[in-house]
Amino acid sequence: DTGVSQDPRHKITKRGQNVTFRCDPISEHNRLYWYRQTLGQGPEFLTYFQNEAQLEKSRLLSDRFSAERPKGSFSTLEIQRTEQGDSAMYLCASSLGELNTEAFFGQGTRLTVV
Amino acid sequence: DAKTTQPNSMESNEEEPVHLPCNHSTISGTDYIHWYRQLPSQGPEYVIHGLTSNVNNRMASLAIAEDRKSSTLILHRATLRDAAVYYCILKASYDKVIFGPGTSLSVIP
Repeated sequence: DTGVSQDPRHKITKRGQNVTFRCDPISEHNRLYWYRQTLGQGPEFLTYFQNEAQLEKSRLLSDRFSAERPKGSFSTLEIQRTEQGDSAMYLCASSLGELNTEAFFGQGTRLTVV
Repeated sequence: DAKTTQPNSMESNEEEPVHLPCNHSTISGTDYIHWYRQLPSQGPEYVIHGLTSNVNNRMASLAIAEDRKSSTLILHRATLRDAAVYYCILKASYDKVIFGPGTSLSVIP
């Protein structure tokens, strides 16, 4: 197992376009998290899934953002009508979801909206 | 979410021990103290966690004050690879990880 995998690593898009990112968690992990990180800040929580169920969404996740985790495996994060303020690193993490197990993070997708 | 307070930045000389402090005066009885670190251009990685007792693992040691209102992450011998942002996080058992701004550690050769 190579850990949490995110694709693409980098994405440049024009304002107003839609983008979709993919996250492949560690195979036996039932929890999957999305975070956003801007320069000089710690990662900000966006949403998380327990298997295929989306259990929590941050107020940071506007209507333009949608996340899915079909069949409880990989997850996608879509941003519609991108804005320059969406430029950030989008991080995915997974965990076993048991008592105090650690979260494993991917290397992130860096989004630049021009 | 209970808050933690960490220095914005710290410096250490290579091969010397580093003590990274964290204050969490509003910690609740069920909060665990977790530490993650983020190397440049990488996602965060788990370092260590504890509840009341001091903890050791291959990466670091965690010293927790008796009243649990503060803790210290100890890197026994800093290497250049330890230069990173270190996050001290309070986390209820099954809850998500919530990051603050962390401490940026520089290691001087």
